[in-house]
Amino acid sequence: EAGVTQSPTHLIKTRGQQATLRCSPISGHTSVYWYQQALGLGLQFLLWYDEGEERNRGNFPPRFSGRQFPNYSSELNVNALELEDSALYLCASSLSPTGGFDTQYFGPGTRLTVL
Amino acid sequence: AQSVTQPDIHITVSEGASLELRCNYSYGATPYLFWYVQSPGQGLQLLLKYFSGDTLVQGIKGFEAEFKRSQSSFNLRKPSVHWSDAAEYFCAVGAETGRRALTFGSGTRLQVQP
Repeated sequence: EAGVTQSPTHLIKTRGQQATLRCSPISGHTSVYWYQQALGLGLQFLLWYDEGEERNRGNFPPRFSGRQFPNYSSELNVNALELEDSALYLCASSLSPTGGFDTQYFGPGTRLTVL
Repeated sequence: AQSVTQPDIHITVSEGASLELRCNYSYGATPYLFWYVQSPGQGLQLLLKYFSGDTLVQGIKGFEAEFKRSQSSFNLRKPSVHWSDAAEYFCAVGAETGRRALTFGSGTRLQVQP
């Protein structure tokens, strides 16, 4: 069974540009989560999508946005890039939450570098 | 709000020695607890999880963890460490309500000496 996939592996942008990161969940999973792992800041929750809807977001500015497509894949967009956006962006997927807590499985990440 | 503390930033053990990585959590209800491992530049791999039931859980790669409610701890153990275990280990807690996001500890970097 294929795991969570993310593209691209690496992305280099300059300040002020926009970045688009992509994630494909495990087959059968409908929830997608995005996390940021920045140096010195640890792993922080960004966004949660389920069944095409944004269900919740972490403490990040609105220039971090995304969407989930009908096939449950997801896109994370970061507008007006700042140097501190440089980080490893991790996508995770899980079954649709029906109660309790569903295990999240992570992809390999996209390394975003902002120059 | 939940929180996770991993008191040890960096641990060095000799190959073949036993290992214990500490994790303390703060959460009002019964927690959903996880240990993940991350090799440099890679994503997170799930080692094991605790939802309910037996407080000693077995995971992949010979790891186990014990949930102790009285101590709010979920420590990870391995009886004999291999050089390939060198990586960063994250403890995490999940909530069944609200944002359903994982809250991670700051991680423990494990170095294995030959």
